[in-house]
Amino acid sequence: QKEVEQDPGPLSVPEGAIVSLNCTYSNSAFQYFMWYRQYSRKGPELLMYTYSSGNKEDGRFTAQVDKSSKYISLFIRDSQPSDSATYLCAMSPYNFNKFYFGSGTKLNVKP
Amino acid sequence: ETGVTQTPRHLVMGMTNKKSLKCEQHLGHNAMYWYKQSAKKPLELMFVYNFKEQTENNSVPSRFSPECPNSSHLFLHLHTLQPEDSALYLCASSQEFLAGDTQYFGPGTRLTVL
Repeated sequence: QKEVEQDPGPLSVPEGAIVSLNCTYSNSAFQYFMWYRQYSRKGPELLMYTYSSGNKEDGRFTAQVDKSSKYISLFIRDSQPSDSATYLCAMSPYNFNKFYFGSGTKLNVKP
Repeated sequence: ETGVTQTPRHLVMGMTNKKSLKCEQHLGHNAMYWYKQSAKKPLELMFVYNFKEQTENNSVPSRFSPECPNSSHLFLHLHTLQPEDSALYLCASSQEFLAGDTQYFGPGTRLTVL
């Protein structure tokens, strides 16, 4: 079983749609949760960072962590063509700075 | 230059060649990382350096040899690679090698082994 599971997509939505991206994990020691966005031919850039459970909002982006279900989500409101990229979830245990990544979900927002 | 830079951005090499990848971070961080990114697979951590000392080597074949001369620079020396080593190689840095420290990535080197 993989440490982190992420649907690879691709996910195709019309401009303005609400997008939901998700990851599940198996290790209950994960305490730090991140979402990275990776444009084609670029390195990943940090989008959202959450510690433990709860929600975090930044503009059109909302990150949710449900530790009881071992499930994290990233919501994108009013999606734009510029949001078209691959989204990687990553997580790290409370006692060690090793990141465990999902394989990424490719998102395409159509104008 | 800001953030994390990597050179070259693209590299094509034969299996008998020797080449090096370079990473430089301008963030004042003390930990640096090499990752391998293959299509449709999660990022694979290869090496970690914290304050210039190697702290992680995730069973990487000896044909990959890292070097960290100071906290700002990281190299990956390549020799006698295999075609399956073709991938995007990403460098990252963080303040220190501590739980929760955010890692910042460079743009990567796209490596093709013929």
